[in-house]
Formats: sequence, C-alpha cells, structure tokens
Amino acid sequence: AQKVTQAQTEISVVEKEDVTLDCVYETRDTTYYLFWYKQPPSGELVFLIRRNSFDEQNEISGRYSWNFQKSTSSFNFTITASQVVDSAVYFCALSEDRSGNTPLVFGKGTRLSVIA
Amino acid sequence: NAGVTQTPKFQVLKTGQSMTLQCAQDMNHEYMSWYRQDPGMGLRLIHYSVGAGITDQGEVPNGYNVSRSTTEDFPLRLLSAAPSQTSVYFCATLPYQRGYGYTFGSGTRLTVV
Repeated sequence: AQKVTQAQTEISVVEKEDVTLDCVYETRDTTYYLFWYKQPPSGELVFLIRRNSFDEQNEISGRYSWNFQKSTSSFNFTITASQVVDSAVYFCALSEDRSGNTPLVFGKGTRLSVIA
Repeated sequence: NAGVTQTPKFQVLKTGQSMTLQCAQDMNHEYMSWYRQDPGMGLRLIHYSVGAGITDQGEVPNGYNVSRSTTEDFPLRLLSAAPSQTSVYFCATLPYQRGYGYTFGSGTRLTVV
C-alpha cells in the first residue's frame, strides 16, 4: 500500500532563513507521481509541483526547489530565503499509476511558520 | 472557466440530518474525488470516480454515499450526519492524461452538532 510520511509536524523559522520540508514515501509501483501542495491560512490547496518516478532531476522554481531521490524514497522541498508569505501547511502526496485509478494519498502535512 | 465549484462553503447540521455536498467542474476531467481534512490527519480519501457511472471507495467511506451520473458533477451525500463527520471537505479533479496536477475546490466546512 502507498504511504506518505511527513515527519515534521511544525517548523518555525526566521524570515530569510532557508528551510527544508521532508517527505518520505512508500509504494510498490515503479510508476508513480509525487506532488507538493501548499495550504495557506485562507484554506485553499495550491498545487506546487508534480514529479513522475522516471524523472529524478531536481527542480528549481524561484525560491523553491525539490530534491527527488528514489534511492531513499524521498521528495524533499526547500524554500530559500523564506518570507512571511510562505507561512502555510505544506502537503506531500503520492499517486500510483494503475490503469487510470489514481487516488492521491497525502502526508499529514508540515505547518511552516515564518517569523518576521 | 470556473474550475471546481463546491457548495455550500459552510454548513451546520444537527446529528441525524442528511445533506448533499455539491461538486461541479467544467474542465471535462474524468477523475473526481472527495477528501476530508481533519486537524493533524492530513487529507483522507472518501470516495472517487474515474468516469460517469463508476465510483469506488477510498480510505474513509463509511457514512458517505456518492454517485456520478454526469462527467461534471460528483455529489457527496451524508445520510445521517454524526459529530465525527465534522470536517472540511474538498473535491478534487484530474484529467485522464497523467502527469497533471489535481485541481481542488475551495472546500466545504461542515459542523455537525
């Protein structure tokens, strides 16, 4: 069965610090997708990134970067030079590729607080 | 395009009452699903559908019913509300082409007293 673990429940950093959010996943499939979502205090879920299991290239988007390592089943998310607007709950999620039935399984989330 | 529309945004029910949470999408996405979000639990899958006429159970289906008569709509029914169903409910959709991100509705906050 698929599982996503976000061991960090809450993280607090001072503005401009770098912060890494950890995500470890379990799956028996060789084809799968990994996601990160942001949930700001307003409550909506904002899609950040999708990564498929065949693409282990790290990705950078502005201050955001993602490190995908199949060898350790991890898909970590780093925010560089954090800002107060980054304060949110961040979810890592996994979708296995099975004939079109692709339920998304979420981790429990990491609450990030960035203090000015 | 409106994307994914959930109604109502807020609802208070009494124990034992029934109600339907609506989810409508205008993106012609085949896959639709319902999640509930509880503090410290993340989002848990209730039911999902890979197309009209097809539904399946997720991790926490008890107390909920769904149907999918059209591509656009995927209502979630609570037959007899219980306080344990107090939660925030999200509808999510996905096109059949893999590799796209799920689109989430804005959520329905339900309180059962």
